[in-house]
Amino acid sequence: QQQVKQSPQSLIVQKGGISIINCAYENTAFDYFPWYQQFPGKGPALLIAIRPDVSEKKEGRFTISFNKSAKQFSLHIMDSQPGDSATYFCAAGSTAGGTSYGKLTFGQGTILTVHP
Amino acid sequence: DTAVSQTPKYLVTQMGNDKSIKCEQNLGHDTMYWYKQDSKKFLKIMFSYNNKELIINETVPNRFSPKSPDKAHLNLHINSLELGDSAVYFCASSQDLVGLGTQYFGPGTRLLVL
Repeated sequence: QQQVKQSPQSLIVQKGGISIINCAYENTAFDYFPWYQQFPGKGPALLIAIRPDVSEKKEGRFTISFNKSAKQFSLHIMDSQPGDSATYFCAAGSTAGGTSYGKLTFGQGTILTVHP
Repeated sequence: DTAVSQTPKYLVTQMGNDKSIKCEQNLGHDTMYWYKQDSKKFLKIMFSYNNKELIINETVPNRFSPKSPDKAHLNLHINSLELGDSAVYFCASSQDLVGLGTQYFGPGTRLLVL
């Protein structure tokens, strides 16, 4: 129940295309869903995050879509650029107590390659 | 200015040795974490501390012992290193206990056990 399942494992898109990464969770106590971006040799960095009271959040070319009933959320990268090539992690956490309180459970990661 | 720093960046050692990794954050955060990232890039929390108090202790072998001398530092000591300990270890910090605003990660320590 602690798992966050992420797909695809890897993704190749052309410059200007749309990159879509999906995540699903089981634990209904999760109420915070961030996405982290990791470049080779670096630590992960927060990209964008959403809480379940909204169904979509957009920041620049990055959009999170959230479907509470399906327990799924996804990251859309519009107009993908070669500089977006990185590993993307979805994560989930709980602010409301329980065994997931105060910690993030990460998905398995998606290696995104954007070809010029 | 580096927000979360770790030393060393690389660590190559023999099985059975004891080693330590140090972490410091200058963000004034109350909560610090240790994560392990394996060869498949899977990222898993190991420990978290809030104001020097252990909060999260995942199912980590007791060969791993975190120590927080003050809220700006969280060190990780590993006894009797095993081949399976080879991974990248990340320190992170966040402003509060819940820690779900933003976690700031360090650059990682790449540990290779031979």
